[in-house]
Amino acid sequence: DIQMTQSPSTLSASVGDRVTITCRASQSISNWLAWYQQKPGKAPNLLIYKTSFLESGVPSRFSGSGSGTEFTLTISSLQPDDFATYYCQQYNSYSPLTFGGGTKVEIK
Amino acid sequence: QVQLVQSGAEVKKPGASVKVSCEVSGYTLTQVPMHWVRQAPGKGLEWMGGFDPEEGETMYAQRFQGRVTMTADTSSETAYMELSSLRSEDTAVYYCATTSGSQFGAFDIWGQGTMVTVSS
Repeated sequence: DIQMTQSPSTLSASVGDRVTITCRASQSISNWLAWYQQKPGKAPNLLIYKTSFLESGVPSRFSGSGSGTEFTLTISSLQPDDFATYYCQQYNSYSPLTFGGGTKVEIK
Repeated sequence: QVQLVQSGAEVKKPGASVKVSCEVSGYTLTQVPMHWVRQAPGKGLEWMGGFDPEEGETMYAQRFQGRVTMTADTSSETAYMELSSLRSEDTAVYYCATTSGSQFGAFDIWGQGTMVTVSS
């Protein structure tokens, strides 16, 4: 199985801050990486696919980068609506598809 | 626009089975590769299985092999996930999810979730 490790697990930040979340894969996944945002009681929402492609309707303050085994999600200027939990997910291999453990972005 | 509507919450006893449904609208079931993801209370997301268009078959996560069955009824445009031999650790929200575009495996469409509680 490809293990996905996210860091940090919790992040405290203020509105307007630049925030970076890291996701590491246990082996190369090329650029087959997605990022999701999840709010309490809701289904996850796709933000970014194929490492850096912004899903339609997602604000441009979100961006993704990386390749191989190391990836980042950056929020350029944190907004009140961005306080949520973020997950990375690899889809290079269906054996199995795997998610990171999540990063909770909290208000500082 | 694809929409997924799941069946309601379930309470089951240990050892029982549960079958969760996911009705597709906006597309046909054959157009969207359906997957199932679960989330235990306060925990992260866990992929259970789904249709791999490249392999042309449904793939299951090994930890659920033998306990999970994913099926589809094209006449009603409904996908099903059945999990047997339930235990307390199976208490979770179960989501169906799919891809409306070409990024198979990156899920842009999700059902609203079905809470399954396993308790004696």
